[in-house]
Amino acid sequence: EAEVAQSPRYKITEKSQAVAFWCDPISGHATLYWYRQILGQGPELLVQFQDESVVDDSQLPKDRFSAERLKGVDSTLKIQPAELGDSAMYLCASSRLAANTGELFFGEGSRLTVL
Amino acid sequence: GENVEQHPSTLSVQEGDSAVIKCTYSDSASNYFPWYKQELGKRPQLIIDIRSNVGEKKDQRIAVTLNKTAKHFSLHITETQPEDSAVYFCAAHRGNEKLTFGTGTRLTIIP
Repeated sequence: EAEVAQSPRYKITEKSQAVAFWCDPISGHATLYWYRQILGQGPELLVQFQDESVVDDSQLPKDRFSAERLKGVDSTLKIQPAELGDSAMYLCASSRLAANTGELFFGEGSRLTVL
Repeated sequence: GENVEQHPSTLSVQEGDSAVIKCTYSDSASNYFPWYKQELGKRPQLIIDIRSNVGEKKDQRIAVTLNKTAKHFSLHITETQPEDSAVYFCAAHRGNEKLTFGTGTRLTIIP
């Protein structure tokens, strides 16, 4: 069964350093999402792509976060510089249907710890 | 924007008993309500969903009910088993707007 792939699974960094997360969605899924999940809370959308275009990045802290999906397939989420409050699980998800109309398939996540 | 509240935050039930988790939403135009299950250290997975044109949906031991007038929906798990222990998230959205998740319920099944 096809799954969403993410790397790295765990990342420990010091504040002010740069970090990057990678996501490879299920083949054929046009919509890709990056969520942040703080411990004890539900996932919060950071950015949503439809193919290579950003559909929603209203909750992305653009002074330090950036995301791209250049060829409309895999995606990278970058944080520079990292802050203590960025410690969280970063989940990537993809869906087959147009934005927000179908099941989301999540990756296993990238857990970030900022020291 | 949409606001989803979920209760309780933790729930412990005896194996074999039923569990109910409730969510309320703020946007009366929301029309899609999925439930995701996240086992410890694993990815969230969709377990059931309901659209606003139906009031109830059932899949084996899991059911979801929707009350559009009161703007709340609930997850019902009957004959609970140890493998039901997980964190459950409700969510809501309308049209092409983003999916808004609740804060989660940690369900523990006591053997």
